[in-house]
Amino acid sequence: ETGVTQTPRHLVMGMTNKKSLKCEQHLGHNAMYWYKQSAKKPLELMFVYSLEERVENNSVPSRFSPECPNSSHLFLHLHTLQPEDSALYLCASSQGRLWYTGELFFGEGSRLTVL
Amino acid sequence: SQQGEEDPQALSIQEGENATMNCSYKTSINNLQWYRQNSGRGLVHLILIRSNEREKHSGRLRVTLDTSKKSSSLLITASRAADTASYFCARSLNNTDKLIFGTGTRLQVFP
Repeated sequence: ETGVTQTPRHLVMGMTNKKSLKCEQHLGHNAMYWYKQSAKKPLELMFVYSLEERVENNSVPSRFSPECPNSSHLFLHLHTLQPEDSALYLCASSQGRLWYTGELFFGEGSRLTVL
Repeated sequence: SQQGEEDPQALSIQEGENATMNCSYKTSINNLQWYRQNSGRGLVHLILIRSNEREKHSGRLRVTLDTSKKSSSLLITASRAADTASYFCARSLNNTDKLIFGTGTRLQVFP
């Protein structure tokens, strides 16, 4: 098993659909993250969970809803998205709180296209 | 803005040449990290340098940090075609869980 696994790798959805992105880490880490990567823009931090508690919510629209049922799994629930939400969504994990441990381990990303 | 600038935005070199990428930032940092991303894939951590360090090496990679100038550089020596990728610097801010990424440098190494 690779360290951080994201499914699906590709997703096409209409603006009225509801879908979810899944992330699973096999590294025994305590913190998990969602980042959004759009063309020609820096990676945008969306959410941070530490020990299953949300510790950062970076002004993300409510049409994105994260869920962290345990320290190994992270979901991003999507509903009524807009075409500008099309992007590569990256999940990452870290051993502990970032300011202490430093390094992020990323998954391969889920490429989302909103029609 | 907490985000910094990386330059150049794109760099094309021949195999065997060295590649230097620069990163500048505006706020105090806990540490600075460099990541690599192959097209359409996830990011891979390369090296972390703490705010009290000035230089670190890892294989063909050399990272420097100048906190007085709020800048860092990544040097890849003896580049290979397989080094073709985008390279990002990321700043870890003091006592936060935020890792702030730049827009990256796209490196193309021609065989």
